[in-house]
Amino acid sequence: GNSVTQMEGPVTLSEEAFLTINCTYTATGYPSLFWYVQYPGEGLQLLLKATKADDKGSNKGFEATYRKETTSFHLEKGSVQVSDSAVYFCALSDGDQGGSEKLVFGKGTKLTVNP
Amino acid sequence: EAGVTQFPSHSVIEKGQTVTLRCDPISGHDNLYWYRRVMGKEIKFLLHFVKESKQDESGMPNNRFLAERTGGTYSTLKVQPAELEDSGVYFCASSPGIQSYEQYFGPGTRLTVT
Repeated sequence: GNSVTQMEGPVTLSEEAFLTINCTYTATGYPSLFWYVQYPGEGLQLLLKATKADDKGSNKGFEATYRKETTSFHLEKGSVQVSDSAVYFCALSDGDQGGSEKLVFGKGTKLTVNP
Repeated sequence: EAGVTQFPSHSVIEKGQTVTLRCDPISGHDNLYWYRRVMGKEIKFLLHFVKESKQDESGMPNNRFLAERTGGTYSTLKVQPAELEDSGVYFCASSPGIQSYEQYFGPGTRLTVT
């Protein structure tokens, strides 16, 4: 079945440091890929998405590129802020599931950014 | 516009008891999903409603779990009787259409079974 493997944390960085959170996937068909973020005390929010190979999703300074050849969707940010402290989830959605766009998630990576 | 809401935010029950979780999706969203995150593990899909019909319930762990969505609005997830391994955070999400891949999540209900 479809699966997502992401870098397990926790990850601790200083403000303005470069961030990479690795995510690879296994899937049949052509999934869409997502990064969701959960800030403390809140629900999951969609951070960015890419629906086909070579697409780049971007939002709030975060970027991720859908790499079909390496089955990867790594999350990057050039300069993190304290407010980026959260749990980040990589996920995929396979629209060929008979109409069910259920999401398959990785385990999540907790990021803490120190001032 | 109000987001997805879930009630209660936290529930502590004893093994063998019954608990009912509620989810109110964003108004007008036909698709409603339930997910669960057990401590330290992935968020796992439980089931998917389209309006009041169960589109996919392949993730429901066993027959102690019963989900309903009467009238195609809010949904309930009942666990009866609860077991220790049911502890975790239960998330609800909704999306507007069959080709919409963006799901809007609620804050989750933390269930603790002692």
